[in-house]
Amino acid sequence: AQSVTQLDSHVSVSEGTPVLLRCNYSSSYSPSLFWYVQHPNKGLQLLLKYTSAATLVKGINGFEAEFKKSETSFHLTKPSAHMSDAAEYFCVVSDLGNNDMRFGAGTRLTVKP
Amino acid sequence: DSGVTQTPKHLITATGQRVTLRCSPRSGDLSVYWYQQSLDQGLQFLIQYYNGEERAKGNILERFSAQQFPDLHSELNLSSLELGDSALYFCASSARGGQGTGELFFGEGSRLTVL
Repeated sequence: AQSVTQLDSHVSVSEGTPVLLRCNYSSSYSPSLFWYVQHPNKGLQLLLKYTSAATLVKGINGFEAEFKKSETSFHLTKPSAHMSDAAEYFCVVSDLGNNDMRFGAGTRLTVKP
Repeated sequence: DSGVTQTPKHLITATGQRVTLRCSPRSGDLSVYWYQQSLDQGLQFLIQYYNGEERAKGNILERFSAQQFPDLHSELNLSSLELGDSALYFCASSARGGQGTGELFFGEGSRLTVL
């Protein structure tokens, strides 16, 4: 069965500095990978997804993630953090064609002025 | 706005009681998913319905049940409530039948507090 590990429960950055949220996955087959964002008192929203096309995936709000099969990683990055990026971020894995998505425990991103 | 509507937004009840949470999916979406989010368990998949039929079941307790109606809205019924059932319950919808095949659109959740 697939699983996902988010390596940091909390990341704090200063506004204007780069963001790196780390995610490692385990999957028996070709995985689909997703990053979702949850702002306070809101539902989750899809940031980006990887489904076996280009390994570098661009999402909304300037975020991107790179699928690295050799490292079983799908880290989320953004060159310059904005105050509005403060939220909880979830890495999600699903085996291609499998009817099961596994959510990571989440990483809370804090952005300091 | 995701297009997924959940009611009520907040609910406070006592142990042993029963509550019903309602979800209206995005227009045209056939799949509805229910998730439970708590501080100690994180985000847990409960159950999925596709066009009125149960498609997948996750960590849903026997005290919980759900259904999807012909107009595609869904209800999650929680009975014999315990303190540990206090959580945020999310509904999500998608156009396709499987969670892994596309984007999920989440509602803003129903926060249940059991006293």
